[in-house]
Amino acid sequence: GAVVSQHPSRVICKSGTSVKIECRSLDFQATTMFWYRQFPKQSLMLMATSNEGSKATYEQGVEKDKFLINHASLTLSTLTVTSAHPEDSSFYICSARSQLYNSPLHFGNGTRLTVT
Amino acid sequence: AQSVTQPDIHITVSEGASLELRCNYSYGATPYLFWYVQSPGQGLQLLLKYFSGDTLVQGIKGFEAEFKRSQSSFNLRKPSVHWSDAAEYFCAVGVPAGSGNTGKLIFGQGTTLQVKP
Repeated sequence: GAVVSQHPSRVICKSGTSVKIECRSLDFQATTMFWYRQFPKQSLMLMATSNEGSKATYEQGVEKDKFLINHASLTLSTLTVTSAHPEDSSFYICSARSQLYNSPLHFGNGTRLTVT
Repeated sequence: AQSVTQPDIHITVSEGASLELRCNYSYGATPYLFWYVQSPGQGLQLLLKYFSGDTLVQGIKGFEAEFKRSQSSFNLRKPSVHWSDAAEYFCAVGVPAGSGNTGKLIFGQGTTLQVKP
């Protein structure tokens, strides 16, 4: 079964509103989580890396004030898209792993965000 | 800088035919290499990975990949394709993060596989 649960799977919101996406590890302690963004028919681009209890590390070009990442517990990371605009419409995918040696990287099933 | 190139954007093969998806990478050290498959609107499923050791890696669903350092390649192969293999395939380089773990992944552009009956 799925070891990383991402919620919601789909969300539609109006421009200017904020949307929160959750990524939960179900049966392991996710010390590190990654957030990716995927445009239609394109590859996945890393947005940020978050380690439990510390600030996320954002990739170049990603607005940290727009894409707020919180990783306050070992099983939950959230991505909040603030003041969403239509160009933020995309497929967002999280992945997570523990800090154990050679721990596998698990992906969530993604969240399709549509901003109208 | 690290990068991954999948030269073929779209490939069509007949069911039962063999398959090879190409992947070339650029990385300054020994890379961690991955192949993932993605069905429409879904997350990623790991097919196989290479960290070290035997350069021919066996994965799930009958897939295998061969790491060739001299060619900076990690091509994915399957001897006989099934209709259910139609999907998007991504090659990725993983940046080591210590303790044998992978940090961020750098993905190729993806190859769409279409299977003809």
